[in-house]
Amino acid sequence: DGGITQSPKYLFRKEGQNVTLSCEQNLNHDAMYWYRQDPGQGLRLIYYSQIVNDFQKGDIAEGYSVSREKKESFPLTVTSAQKNPTAFYLCATSTGTHNNEQFFGPGTRLTVL
Amino acid sequence: AQTVTQSQPEMSVQEAETVTLSCTYDTSESDYYLFWYKQPPSRQMILVIRQEAYKQQNATENRFSVNFQKAAKSFSLKISDSQLGDAAMYFCAYRRRGAQKLVFGQGTRLTINP
Repeated sequence: DGGITQSPKYLFRKEGQNVTLSCEQNLNHDAMYWYRQDPGQGLRLIYYSQIVNDFQKGDIAEGYSVSREKKESFPLTVTSAQKNPTAFYLCATSTGTHNNEQFFGPGTRLTVL
Repeated sequence: AQTVTQSQPEMSVQEAETVTLSCTYDTSESDYYLFWYKQPPSRQMILVIRQEAYKQQNATENRFSVNFQKAAKSFSLKISDSQLGDAAMYFCAYRRRGAQKLVFGQGTRLTINP
């Protein structure tokens, strides 16, 4: 099936531990994005990547890191420096053209205990 | 900076009736895109409808249509013949042409009463 895979759906970590969220796509899209969703708020952009080996900070990048070694994969690491990491994380992709729309994965709910 | 505001945190409608969700945005740009996304309880974000700012004609997708008022910076979503499956959070979003970032509103929770 074509699409975007985020795993796992639910993730629990202890405070102070780094954790990596997975995002894989087989849509052959160039651009990939990470958003964070908190209750009562819309989605906020963490990082995005338009091509392999390149990425840019979004509005709330502090405490997060990413890599883009392969076109299909854009993992997000939530570091211990992120002060309030418990949230719902959504990965998205787009073709990268000027008229693109973004397609979203199913999301990962991260809970830091 | 661009902002998107959805002033209705919650809305409800009777099944088969029509409901309108409001969205306003603030931008100094003239070329941009506006979107409505639906997020059902599964939390999967689904694109409902898209409007290009340079097009005066309002976008329509089956039972979903928009009222795009560029001068007023307003972008409302009308859902006709509401169905139980329409129950979800609805997010309005903005993207400047050429930019990668989507700017989202806070969302409106829509309940459909049978």
